[in-house]
Amino acid sequence: AQSVTQLDSQVPVFEEAPVELRCNYSSSVSVYLFWYVQYPNQGLQLLLKYLSGSTLVKSINGFEAEFNKSQTSFHLRKPSVHISDTAEYFCAVSEVGGAQKLVFGQGTRLTINP
Amino acid sequence: ETGVTQTPRHLVMGMTNKKSLKCEQHLGHNAMYWYKQSAKKPLELMFVYSLEERVENNSVPSRFSPECPNSSHLFLHLHTLQPEDSALYLCASSQDFTYNEQFFGPGTRLTVL
Repeated sequence: AQSVTQLDSQVPVFEEAPVELRCNYSSSVSVYLFWYVQYPNQGLQLLLKYLSGSTLVKSINGFEAEFNKSQTSFHLRKPSVHISDTAEYFCAVSEVGGAQKLVFGQGTRLTINP
Repeated sequence: ETGVTQTPRHLVMGMTNKKSLKCEQHLGHNAMYWYKQSAKKPLELMFVYSLEERVENNSVPSRFSPECPNSSHLFLHLHTLQPEDSALYLCASSQDFTYNEQFFGPGTRLTVL
């Protein structure tokens, strides 16, 4: 069975500062990895995903994440955050070739201060 | 309407009430999901339907009863709930049960008094 650990429950940063949200996973098989974002009073939206190929994946709004198999990590980064990035971010994993069952981490609340 | 919609957005109910949550997806997907999101806990998968058949039931109490009349609609019938059932209930859909991207609705915020 898979598990996901998001090491920080809350991350406060100043606007235009860089940010890294950490995600580590555990699985006995190959996995797909996802980052979802949840803005206040909304459902989850897919931010980016790693399925195969290049280990560095990017979103349209400047976030990127790198799959590191040896460290079983999929950390999310942005070089310069904006107030509108304030949200909760969830890392998730599912098995390659298995039924589509997403296992989520506990979430990290990103707060951007002006 | 586009994407995944959920109604109502907010619901307050007593422990003896019976209510239903509704989810509709406008994406032509074949799989639908119910999740429970409680404060400071990971999302919990409750039920999965693929082509209107339930394929997963994660030890959810019987006071929660899902129904999937067709591939576009999913209901969660609630009866004799407990205060600890208060949470955000999220519906999601995916192209099929083995496809890896799920699309989420905005959720129903449920409060049980």
